[in-house]
Amino acid sequence: GEDVEQSLFLSVREGDSSVINCTYTDSSSTYLYWYKQEPGAGLQLLTYIFSNMDMKQDQRLTVLLNKKDKHLSLRIADTQTGDSAIYFCAGSLRSSYKLIFGSGTRLLVRP
Amino acid sequence: KAGVTQTPRYLIKTRGQQVTLSCSPISGHRSVSWYQQTPGQGLQFLFEYFSETQRNKGNFPGRFSGRQFSNSRSEMNVSTLELGDSALYLCASSTGTSGAFGNTIYFGEGSWLTVV
Repeated sequence: GEDVEQSLFLSVREGDSSVINCTYTDSSSTYLYWYKQEPGAGLQLLTYIFSNMDMKQDQRLTVLLNKKDKHLSLRIADTQTGDSAIYFCAGSLRSSYKLIFGSGTRLLVRP
Repeated sequence: KAGVTQTPRYLIKTRGQQVTLSCSPISGHRSVSWYQQTPGQGLQFLFEYFSETQRNKGNFPGRFSGRQFSNSRSEMNVSTLELGDSALYLCASSTGTSGAFGNTIYFGEGSWLTVV
């Protein structure tokens, strides 16, 4: 079955780029999602990518997918203090009707 | 357009009691799923419904149940509450028949359950 892993913590300076990494195990067709969770809040969908794509860009966000290594990354350009949150990577398989989440990466943006 | 609405937002229950949580999906969304979030176990899938049918269920005891109504609103129920059921319960909705696969999936703000 699908398994998703993330590093736990990342600290960056305001204005720098942040790169949050994720690895997934399933080799069949998978959609991969990035969510943001601020304290006391639900999950905010940031973007998603299909496993046959290499890259997707949306304003300050760039998702890169290395299919060979099953490695997914989320790059946030010009990181702001408001980007401080926990970021979750999640995968879904066809006909599974569910998301499998990583443990989340806590991003701290220092002024 | 209203987002996913969950009620209540916060509640405190005593061990042995039962609780019902409600979720109203985004208008037009027919797939509703539920997740439990705890510090120890992270985000875990509970169940998913589409057109009143449960299509998948996570690895939770039978005390956890859910249903979906004809208007796509969903409820989940936890009976005989245990301390370990204290968690944030998140509801998500999406449009398509494929549920979580390839659809934009939106989450509500969650219901914070504390069991004492």
